[in-house]
Amino acid sequence: GAGVSQSPSNKVTEKGKDVELRCDPISGHTALYWYRQRLGQGLEFLIYFQGNSAPDKSGLPSDRFSAERTGESVSTLTIQRTQQEDSAVYLCASSLSVDTQYFGPGTRLTVL
Amino acid sequence: DAKTTQPPSMDCAEGRAANLPCNHSTISGNEYVYWYRQIHSQGPQYIIHGLKNNETNEMASLIITEDRKSSTLILPHATLRDTAVYYCIVSRGAGNNRKLIWGLGTSLAVNP
Repeated sequence: GAGVSQSPSNKVTEKGKDVELRCDPISGHTALYWYRQRLGQGLEFLIYFQGNSAPDKSGLPSDRFSAERTGESVSTLTIQRTQQEDSAVYLCASSLSVDTQYFGPGTRLTVL
Repeated sequence: DAKTTQPPSMDCAEGRAANLPCNHSTISGNEYVYWYRQIHSQGPQYIIHGLKNNETNEMASLIITEDRKSSTLILPHATLRDTAVYYCIVSRGAGNNRKLIWGLGTSLAVNP
C-alpha cells in the first residue's frame, strides 16, 4: 500500500521567505510526527499530532515554526521568515502507535 | 531523560553477523528500547523494539541485558543493503504521549 509521502522533495528558498511543507500520512494512522534532521545529525522532534488531541508542540524551535493537521489526514509544516539555520531535511512519520513509526522520504530545505 | 550511547561507526563483512551495541544506563522501568535504521538519503525504518525480554523478527534480534542498561541489535547475516545508520532510541513519556529521543546512531558499513 501507499506509504507516507512528502512534498516537495527539495525546496530552495531565500532567507526571509516563508515555506510550507506537506505530509500525507498512511491512511488510518492517527499519529503524525514532524522531525528535523540537520546534516550528519540525528532526528530532532518538532511536533506530534494524535487524533483529535491538542498537538504536542514542545519541540518547535521558535514561533516561526507552526504545523497544522486536519483530522487524521494531511499535515503542513510552515516556517516563516526562514533563516539559514533552518536548512535541514524535514521528516514526517505516521503511526497507529508510537512503537512503529513509518517515515516519509523527507523534504530537503535549503535556505540561501 | 534516558539517553543512549552508541559507537559512531562499525564495519562488518557481508554474510557475517553484525552486532550493534547500545548503552542506556539511565533507562527507567517503563521506557522501551527501539531500533531504527536510516539508509542514505531515505527516511528512517523501524527495525525492532523491546522492554525487557529479548525480541526477534524477520529483520533482526534484540538482546536486552537483565539490568536493562544495555542492549545489542543483531543482524544475523548482514548484506550490502544493510549499510545504514542504526539508531538505538529510548522512549520518554507514557502511553500515546511517548516520544522517541534520537541520538547520532552507529554508521554500519557492510563490506563485500
